[in-house]
Amino acid sequence: GEDVEQSLFLSVREGDSSVINCTYTDSSSTYLYWYKQEPGAGLQLLTYIFSNMDMKQDQRLTVLLNKKDKHLSLRIADTQTGDSAIYFCAERRVNRDDKIIFGKGTRLHILP
Amino acid sequence: DAGITQSPRHKVTETGTPVTLRCHQTENHRYMYWYRQDPGHGLRLIHYSYGVKDTDKGEVSDGYSVSRSKTEDFLLTLESATSSQTSVYFCAISVGVVSYNEQFFGPGTRLTVL
Repeated sequence: GEDVEQSLFLSVREGDSSVINCTYTDSSSTYLYWYKQEPGAGLQLLTYIFSNMDMKQDQRLTVLLNKKDKHLSLRIADTQTGDSAIYFCAERRVNRDDKIIFGKGTRLHILP
Repeated sequence: DAGITQSPRHKVTETGTPVTLRCHQTENHRYMYWYRQDPGHGLRLIHYSYGVKDTDKGEVSDGYSVSRSKTEDFLLTLESATSSQTSVYFCAISVGVVSYNEQFFGPGTRLTVL
């Protein structure tokens, strides 16, 4: 397909791990990104991974990349109420004028 | 926030009226972008600019025009607003080395076309 695909909703209990999944489309994409959008705000870059990496860890965030399946995931350990937001996956498509293409976003809801 | 501001932050207008949204940056970045965000569609690129007077279309450019006469300002114009253009509009800039292409986003403009 042509779209970056994500599930629209995810509910997780506070303290558990959240895993947000994404499938992208272009095997030549060089950078893959995760952005966070809090209510009423713009998008904020959380983390990114270069396509020659399998994993990147940054404090509570772990990004896993499966290039064969074009699958990207974001794991948030010890999920907190402040993690409640919409998370966007994005890919930088080298063969599409080098634009960044965003998924539709996954709304993460934290249960008490 | 990489020094990005958008104005106005909120606007209500009527169908058929012209509307101009402004994006202003303070750090002389070359690349600037206009996106719209709609439920079920995520972020879609409207237009982008790669320098003063250099602009190009994105995936949803119909009904929109842009201008960039100064590095710091990127204007988005709806010549004759329609209800389908009710949306939240985000401006973004690219920072860092070219191969990184990280984008920083402005706070957004909520536009309602009645």
